[in-house]
Parts: sequence; structure tokens; C-alpha cells
Amino acid sequence: KNQVEQSPQSLIILEGKNCTLQCNYTVSPFSNLRWYKQDTGRGPVSLTIMTFSENTKSNGRYTATLDADTKQSSLHITASQLSDSASYICVVRATGNQFYFGTGTSLTVIP
Amino acid sequence: DAGITQSPRHKVTETGTPVTLRCHQTENHRYMYWYRQDPGHGLRLIHYSYGVKDTDKGEVSDGYSVSRSKTEDFLLTLESATSSQTSVYFCAISESFQETQYFGPGTRLLVL
Repeated sequence: KNQVEQSPQSLIILEGKNCTLQCNYTVSPFSNLRWYKQDTGRGPVSLTIMTFSENTKSNGRYTATLDADTKQSSLHITASQLSDSASYICVVRATGNQFYFGTGTSLTVIP
Repeated sequence: DAGITQSPRHKVTETGTPVTLRCHQTENHRYMYWYRQDPGHGLRLIHYSYGVKDTDKGEVSDGYSVSRSKTEDFLLTLESATSSQTSVYFCAISESFQETQYFGPGTRLLVL
């Protein structure tokens, strides 16, 4: 069964600290993996997209990694800011017209 | 929100009444999608469109219908709303199925 699992479900960190969010998937055949950021009360916004051949992709303080062999991805946030408080969603696309969404990690950054 | 608007933004309705949600885009993207988002389930695809009058079902299409008569508008209709359809509904657009989706601001629907 094609699934996307994210961990942890929620996370609280101090402002300025780093954190890493995990995404494990069983989707096959794999096409690409996206990370979205969703602020409370708003629609998701794309952070990164990675294909099978890409191991790392950065977007400012956000760095995503992909290990297609183990079917794992991580999103690393460096020097967190209060504005990073949001839900982070991992989405895996299979070849063909299928998307699989994780349920998200809720990140809270406190001063 | 990448030139995407949703209307209404909030709606309260009663069980058994019809409801139509509208998604409007100014980006001329070919693909449009309707999702619902519920706690513990994440985003789930209801229907999507790959062109004017071309639509297909998603994961949770039962109880929903869609129409797309113009490139810029994608309508989601609940023919007879039920309490289980209380949710936040998001519209999204993309240039192709492979490209990044851009999401609208969402519509909060409460069915009493």
C-alpha cells in the first residue's frame, strides 16, 4: 500500500535552534517528493521538490534530503525563527496521476 | 496565493442543502484540483481537472461533483451536504501534473 508517514507529529523548539523533520514513504514507482509549509489558516506553499536523482535541495534556511534507496526524506531547518511555526507536509508523487500526502509535522518555535 | 481565490471563505449550512464552492485563477494553469483537509488525514484529493470540461475523480469523490466551463473557474458542488463534509476545502492549480501545485487560501465549511 502506498503511504507517506511523517515524524514527529509535533515538535517544539527554541528560536535559533535547528531541527529535522522526517518523511518515510512506500510509494512506488516514485516520481518526485515535495515539501510544503502550511501556516495556520492558509494554503500550503511549496518549499522544495526533488526527483529520484537529487539527494539534497536547499531553499534558504530549509534543506531537504532524499534517499531513494531507503525511501526516506528529511527537512532540516537551520537557525529557526518564530515565522517557521507551521505545519510541514511531505507529498510523494508516483508515476501516473497519483499523489500521496503525509499528515504533516506541526512545528512550534518559541522565543 | 499565486493568483488563486476561493469563495466563499467561510460557510455554514444545514444538512441536506446544496453547496457550491468556487475556485478562480488568473494564472491560466491547465490543471486545477479540489482537496479537503481534516485533522489526522492530511490533504485528500476530491476531484481534479486537466482542461475545460475535462475532470477526473480523486481519492474521496463520493458526494461531490465538479464542473469547469472556463479555464479560470473550477466549481465544487456538494449536492446534499452532510455533517461528514464539514472540512476545510483547498483549491490548487498547476501548469502540468508534474509541476508544483499552488494552493488557494481555503474555504471553511461547517455543515450542521
